[in-house]
Amino acid sequence: DQQVKQNSPSLSVQEGRISILNCDYTNSMFDYFLWYKKYPAEGPTFLISISSIKDKNEDGRFTVFLNKSAKHLSLHIVPSQPGDSAVYFCAASPNRDDKIIFGKGTRLHILP
Amino acid sequence: GAGVSQSPSNKVTEKGKDVELRCDPISGHTALYWYRQSLGQGLEFLIYFQGNSAPDKSGLPSDRFSAERTGGSVSTLTIQRTQQEDSAVYLCASSLPISGVRGYTFGSGTRLTVV
Repeated sequence: DQQVKQNSPSLSVQEGRISILNCDYTNSMFDYFLWYKKYPAEGPTFLISISSIKDKNEDGRFTVFLNKSAKHLSLHIVPSQPGDSAVYFCAASPNRDDKIIFGKGTRLHILP
Repeated sequence: GAGVSQSPSNKVTEKGKDVELRCDPISGHTALYWYRQSLGQGLEFLIYFQGNSAPDKSGLPSDRFSAERTGGSVSTLTIQRTQQEDSAVYLCASSLPISGVRGYTFGSGTRLTVV
């Protein structure tokens, strides 16, 4: 049973436009949410996180939104750049010190 | 070292053979995690070490899988009698306890192919 779901396996976005990646979760005990970015043949790298007491966290071009009542979070990248082409994993944890549960990932293609 | 080092980077093995995968965490990182990513799947948690002890082994898929960590540093994941469904990229991550989940640093992984 998938606790973290990314229903879009891939997404294509024009360079300069906004990329929106979505994620749903089922476990109401999750208290901490993260996004990781992965290039081919490399390990995932931490991108941005949000705790359940917030509904938005922004870091440069990246913003994560959390809707606890809908058990939904999204990652916005604006403006999208060619280097943003990668696989993005949504992840969650019951607290900041526990193991992370990952979704299946969304492959983002930024089109020139 | 500067990052998490995993070896080998690629391993092809025959069904039924045993394999050992190695993870060298960042110096000083006391927490160490093993994940695997099968084709088309997300990262699946396998086991977590805090120092040399493993408080959470809940993700190990079967008793053919085992892991150990010695000296609070290097960890070895062993798969006995490998099966084709064990084919995956095995990823190791380490972190400082104070960093929590934000502090995970992943290695590049070992791609295991069982033929």
